[in-house]
Amino acid sequence: QKEVEQNSGPLSVPEGAIASLNCTYSDRGSQSFFWYRQYSGKSPELIMFIYSNGDKEDGRFTAQLNKASQYVSLLIRDSQPSDSATYLCAVNMKGYSTLTFGKGTMLLVSP
Amino acid sequence: DAMVIQNPRYQVTQFGKPVTLSCSQTLNHNVMYWYQQKSSQAPKLLFHYYDKDFNNEADTPDNFQSRRPNTSFCFLDIRSPGLGDAAMYLCATSRDSGEQFFGPGTRLTVL
Repeated sequence: QKEVEQNSGPLSVPEGAIASLNCTYSDRGSQSFFWYRQYSGKSPELIMFIYSNGDKEDGRFTAQLNKASQYVSLLIRDSQPSDSATYLCAVNMKGYSTLTFGKGTMLLVSP
Repeated sequence: DAMVIQNPRYQVTQFGKPVTLSCSQTLNHNVMYWYQQKSSQAPKLLFHYYDKDFNNEADTPDNFQSRRPNTSFCFLDIRSPGLGDAAMYLCATSRDSGEQFFGPGTRLTVL
């Protein structure tokens, strides 16, 4: 059973704070990990991907991967109200060409 | 700009009346996907084409069919839409098992 778990939220943070979004996955052989942002009524937009253990930074976003713990996270620094959206974690599991999505975490950034 | 295009953006149909949704891409990606997404749920993969090879998810209803006449285009046919088929339909593309890029989606309403 392929599973990707996320806390549905909402996660509420004040403007300027660090938002931390978490995701766990069931398949130890998973190889690729993606974070998508989805605004209400819109399609998912890719914001980060990570393949190796450790941190990957892109602007205000940092993805963190710990394969031993089967855990991937997304940190958003200096959160802005425009970051308010649902963040979807997606995992490419070994032997599959497709992605398994979590249900997403809703982030609310208050001014 | 290279992109994924979906038409129409909004589709209203009657119960049982066939409908076709279209997707085109200028990314020259070899894999195309169709997802169904209902409110507050994860995108659910219906099927995908890896090059010319069609891959149907085990739980995709027979009511849903797909065609990929060439690399750039993919169609989703819903033969007899039911009320439960009302959803956002998302097309995505990727190069092999890499990151997926989504089109804007088609919002389907069934009356």
